[in-house]
Amino acid sequence: QKEVEQNSGPLSVPEGAIASLNCTYSDRGSQSFFWYRQYSGKSPELIMFIYSNGDKEDGRFTAQLNKASQYVSLLIRDSQPSDSATYLCAVNMFGTSGTYKYIFGTGTRLKVLA
Amino acid sequence: GAGVSQSPRYKVTKRGQDVALRCDPISGHVSLYWYRQALGQGPEFLTYFNYEAQQDKSGLPNDRFSAERPEGSISTLTIQRTEQRDSAMYRCASSLSGQPQHFGDGTRLSIL
Repeated sequence: QKEVEQNSGPLSVPEGAIASLNCTYSDRGSQSFFWYRQYSGKSPELIMFIYSNGDKEDGRFTAQLNKASQYVSLLIRDSQPSDSATYLCAVNMFGTSGTYKYIFGTGTRLKVLA
Repeated sequence: GAGVSQSPRYKVTKRGQDVALRCDPISGHVSLYWYRQALGQGPEFLTYFNYEAQQDKSGLPNDRFSAERPEGSISTLTIQRTEQRDSAMYRCASSLSGQPQHFGDGTRLSIL
């Protein structure tokens, strides 16, 4: 089992719709969860982070965390063509070296159709 | 500087040569991370530092890869005796302790 799993997509949604991106993780002790957006040929940029169970909203973005189910999601409301990118889920996990480190999923490619 | 700076942006070298990739983190960021990213994949953890201490190097593929951050600021990732399979985008990120990471633009390494 991969440590952080995402559906690679592409996920296609029409403009104005809600895009739902999902991520599961293997380490039940993980405490911090991050969503990054990466445009083709560019570096990842932080969109949101969440530490507590429940929802966290920032503009059109909502991150949802369910630690019991080891599941974190990102909702994008009123999707725009400019939201078309790869969305990376990252989890801060306790590693074998005795410290925490960030593990990334493979990313979900989102296409917003005009 | 305002962001994480990596150099060079592009590096082309012949198989067997050594390469050194540089990362200059955001000022004041104590944590510095190195990743390798293949096309269509997420960043793959290589190693990270808190200040000058290398906290975890479990992601370094083999002993040809090494990293240092001698003064707790600029870091260098060195690959000795490069092989074609080392070709990838190498990314550096930095953060305040326990805070989200911020990425540099990466170094595209091509081994001929």
